[in-house]
Amino acid sequence: ITLKESGPTLVKPTQTLTLTCSFSGFSFTTSGVWMGWVRQPPGKALEWLAVIHWDDDERYSPSLKSRLTITKDTSKNQVVLTMTNMGPEDTATYFCVHIFGAFGGLSVFDIWGQGTPVTVSS
Amino acid sequence: SYELTQPPSVSVSPGQTASLTCSGENLGDKYVSWYQQTPGQSPVVVIFQDNKRPSGVPERFSGSHSGNTATLTISGTQAMDEADYYCQTWDSSTFVFGPGTKVAVL
Repeated sequence: ITLKESGPTLVKPTQTLTLTCSFSGFSFTTSGVWMGWVRQPPGKALEWLAVIHWDDDERYSPSLKSRLTITKDTSKNQVVLTMTNMGPEDTATYFCVHIFGAFGGLSVFDIWGQGTPVTVSS
Repeated sequence: SYELTQPPSVSVSPGQTASLTCSGENLGDKYVSWYQQTPGQSPVVVIFQDNKRPSGVPERFSGSHSGNTATLTISGTQAMDEADYYCQTWDSSTFVFGPGTKVAVL
């Protein structure tokens, strides 16, 4: 399984960020598959953002829910994250993740992409 | 929102044992995973569901959980183990990461 993120490295404040995760090695049509996004500001800790299930069930970080949308394109083997109203505090490396296990306490982020850096600046 | 607590840093001599703790309210009722992140790299899971080790992770990594504290133990620490380590759990339909512990092998 491999995951690779792509998207802009620089966005302006108030703009919308769109990131794409292209994956291989598994099918999103397989029952039980979850994928998601985690970010990491420079020098800071990891922060979970969103996950999506193979059946389109979506879950979001409560603190960012109003700004996030996660979707998938099964035919293209892609997961897309959009984040609206970007601000300097959103500057971070954004990781695509594959989740092993159902959404819940048994879940683990078992596969990570290489990450894509995003800077928010005018 | 739920919070996990980790010591900012731990120092260990090569060949010695490093113990990294992760604590949180009612953590005893939750599973904990641990991720290793070396500089410039993506995180890698080294322990999941408290004490399970993924294939390919060296046996010197082990996890335990007692009360509201989870512990990642690195036995016979090697220079390559120098990294940031994050604990992670699940609370109220939210994945939560700890602030991370920087392990220095001196």
